[in-house]
Amino acid sequence: SAVISQKPSRDICQRGTSLTIQCQVDSQVTMMFWYRQQPGQSLTLIATANQGSEATYESGFVIDKFPISRPNLTFSTLTVSNMSPEDSSIYLCSVDSALNTEAFFGQGTRLTVV
Amino acid sequence: AQSVAQPEDQVNVAEGNPLTVKCTYSVSGNPYLFWYVQYPNRGLQFLLKYITGDNLVKGSYGFEAEFNKSQTSFHLKKPSALVSDSALYFCAVRDPINTGGFKTIFGAGTRLFVKA
Repeated sequence: SAVISQKPSRDICQRGTSLTIQCQVDSQVTMMFWYRQQPGQSLTLIATANQGSEATYESGFVIDKFPISRPNLTFSTLTVSNMSPEDSSIYLCSVDSALNTEAFFGQGTRLTVV
Repeated sequence: AQSVAQPEDQVNVAEGNPLTVKCTYSVSGNPYLFWYVQYPNRGLQFLLKYITGDNLVKGSYGFEAEFNKSQTSFHLKKPSALVSDSALYFCAVRDPINTGGFKTIFGAGTRLFVKA
């Protein structure tokens, strides 16, 4: 199993500003994922972050809006840039170790943009 | 393309009664299937998974699920519901052949209410 610490747990931000969310894992993992969960809805994958390479973004998400860093095998950050109220969501970090294992999730960051 | 459907937005059941939360999937190969639960203001917690082998899998908190290949279903079940089971449940699928990696697709979620 993996223990994931995600910071901040919540924040209220002004529109037009940026917020960086941190994800720290207690073990080395190859792949880290960032999801968005809008209120009362399912999880939507934003991007996959591999150490040593650029993140791979899903359709509808772009690097300019959601830049991701992955400096080592235990840490990643997601930045939500130039925020608008539509960005208000829960952002979740997740890790996997193998295809046939379950994913582990951080507690999430609840972002409110005003 | 792979997809997951949870046809019920909400399931209501009385405490002590059996519960079922439905899930159907669509993948081109043999799927890896998962159930996760989300309690209020918490991250997702893993319940159980089907990778291969016995179609009936048992998981945490007394939950189980049955993989039915002909019906492409993976319904979550529990023989006797508890009030504390009230939460949001997500079915998820991974297609190990076509995702090109570890990408997991989640269903829309089903909110379970267990009434005392």
